[in-house]
Amino acid sequence: GEDVEQSLFLSVREGDSSVINCTYTDSSSTYLYWYKQEPGAGLQLLTYIFSNMDMKQDQRLTVLLNKKDKHLSLRIADTQTGDSAIYFCAESIRSNTGKLIFGQGTTLQVKP
Amino acid sequence: DAGITQSPRHKVTETGTPVTLRCHQTENHRYMYWYRQDPGHGLRLIHYSYGVKDTDKGEVSDGYSVSRSKTEDFLLTLESATSSQTSVYFCAISESDVQPQHFGDGTRLSIL
Repeated sequence: GEDVEQSLFLSVREGDSSVINCTYTDSSSTYLYWYKQEPGAGLQLLTYIFSNMDMKQDQRLTVLLNKKDKHLSLRIADTQTGDSAIYFCAESIRSNTGKLIFGQGTTLQVKP
Repeated sequence: DAGITQSPRHKVTETGTPVTLRCHQTENHRYMYWYRQDPGHGLRLIHYSYGVKDTDKGEVSDGYSVSRSKTEDFLLTLESATSSQTSVYFCAISESDVQPQHFGDGTRLSIL
């Protein structure tokens, strides 16, 4: 079945780059997403990539997709304390339902 | 936020009582979803709707029912709440099955 795995915790210093990794199992995924969740809040869509793309850049965010290895990463340049949050990777499975499969989330801690 | 209101935001109730959570959207999006978020599990899909009166089950649908009588409202009902249904519940909407999902702020439900 479909599964999405993420490491649970990442700690970086302010100003450094952060790289959050995700692996997925469904080779027929159409889109892959990154969401951010701050304490007590809902999930905020950060960015997404279509499965036939290798890379997408959006300001400080860079998404890399290695479809052969089923590996997705999110790089945050010049990480700020406001980037501290839980980051979720999600894949959309090939269907007409729009269903997403989420990873467990990676908690990013940014130290001043 | 994407015009999504969840109510109530917090609720405490007793085992065996019925509970209904409401998701209201002002975006006229066709697809609506209910997820639950539990530590170590990320978000898991309970039920979803792809139109008025059109609903289907997600991966953790046991003990839950839904209704969608109009485009803007999607109701989640726990007919007889159990302690295992203590969780944070999120509603999401999307324009289509290939568009990103946008999330509400969540309902924190405690069942004692």
